[in-house]
Amino acid sequence: SQQGEEDPQALSIQEGENATMNCSYKTSINNLQWYRQNSGRGLVHLILIRSNEREKHSGRLRVTLDTSKKSSSLLITASRAADTASYFCATGRYSSASKIIFGSGTRLSIRP
Amino acid sequence: DAGVIQSPRHEVTEMGQEVTLRCKPISGHNSLFWYRQTMMRGLELLIYFNNNVPIDDSGMPEDRFSAKMPNASFSTLKIQPSEPRDSAVYFCASSSTGFYGYTFGSGTRLTVV
Repeated sequence: SQQGEEDPQALSIQEGENATMNCSYKTSINNLQWYRQNSGRGLVHLILIRSNEREKHSGRLRVTLDTSKKSSSLLITASRAADTASYFCATGRYSSASKIIFGSGTRLSIRP
Repeated sequence: DAGVIQSPRHEVTEMGQEVTLRCKPISGHNSLFWYRQTMMRGLELLIYFNNNVPIDDSGMPEDRFSAKMPNASFSTLKIQPSEPRDSAVYFCASSSTGFYGYTFGSGTRLTVV
């Protein structure tokens, strides 16, 4: 079963523009993470936000979390061709021993 | 650290054959996860271990699938007998107490013909 669902499923933007992806989930969480997957590669952890946090930044990435709406957004500013990838949100409920459930992902394409 | 190491990178096998996928987690990580990724079903958690002990194997699709973690530095996922519908990319990931996210291996692309 999938806990997180990303929106949109696919996004194509011009290089230099900002990209925003959304994630909605169903049950209460301990933390939410975003991962990137380049074609044919494994997933790379980008950022983790805990349930008591509302916003987090890492370089060109900005993540927000609204636990009342059970939603999160990932903003990539000043996009680059290298940002072309699939982006997944994943939710975890407990400690590090817990499983995290991935959504179906957003395919981001950056046009040069 | 070399990261999570999976082998083989690619495996092509005939239906009915036994397949063994291997994973070496990051040293010091105490949790290990096996995922399967297909276009149709996305990323599915098959099983995860904490301190070498299987915690949740509810995602293992059938009895044909089994996983072991004999020590903190090695895990295997075995499919016996394999079927064409098992074709997928299988990922191993590890994480540590304190939880700063998972580190994924590069995956094993399995093709069963």
